[in-house]
Amino acid sequence: QVTLKESGPVLVKPTETLTLTCSVSGFSLSSARLGVSWFRQPPGKALEWLAYISPNDEKSYSTSLQSRLAISKDTSKSQVVLTVTSLGPVDTATYYCARTDSNWGSLDFWGQGILVTVSS
Amino acid sequence: DIQMTQSPSSVSASVGDRVTITCRASQRISRWLAWYQQKPGKAPKLLIYAASDLQTGVPSRFSGSGSGTDFNFTISSLQTEDFATYYCQQANSFPRFTFGPGTRVD
Repeated sequence: QVTLKESGPVLVKPTETLTLTCSVSGFSLSSARLGVSWFRQPPGKALEWLAYISPNDEKSYSTSLQSRLAISKDTSKSQVVLTVTSLGPVDTATYYCARTDSNWGSLDFWGQGILVTVSS
Repeated sequence: DIQMTQSPSSVSASVGDRVTITCRASQRISRWLAWYQQKPGKAPKLLIYAASDLQTGVPSRFSGSGSGTDFNFTISSLQTEDFATYYCQQANSFPRFTFGPGTRVD
């Protein structure tokens, strides 16, 4: 059974750094074809892709946010970590991680999401 | 970046209706397109990948078609549990995914 679960702070202050963890089970972070992506969704808006990490540790970032994002993984712990620096109110959103199959780019399993509010 | 548009932005329908949503990509993406269903407060759920392939466990009333820049998503007979927002997503520029703005079915 494949599961993903996001964890981290739900309230952060402007200018601070957000660190989110995606804990996965039911598959290995080194499995061929299976990477993990992060997305976010501001309230009432559409989904936005943020970052991706591949089975062999290759990393990709959203062009508009790449200076503020970092993704990493600990395969032994089955965890993927996303950090977002220099937070502002526009970063208020639900953040999701999703298993990413390079076979047609399918986002076949998702975490439940975590609502992060940026406010002083 | 590849831009995705969807129409309509919302559709009012009744149980049993046939519902069709259109998605258009700003450049050719072959069949690198997926469709997701999202209900309020929940994560998206993969329904269709490779433009027309049904994800395992998804009812056959859902279908997709198209290639290149123009795609369709159809619910053949709307059920109560299908009232949700639907998103198309391109994966041609993998892993740089982009989503359409969504279509709400209510």
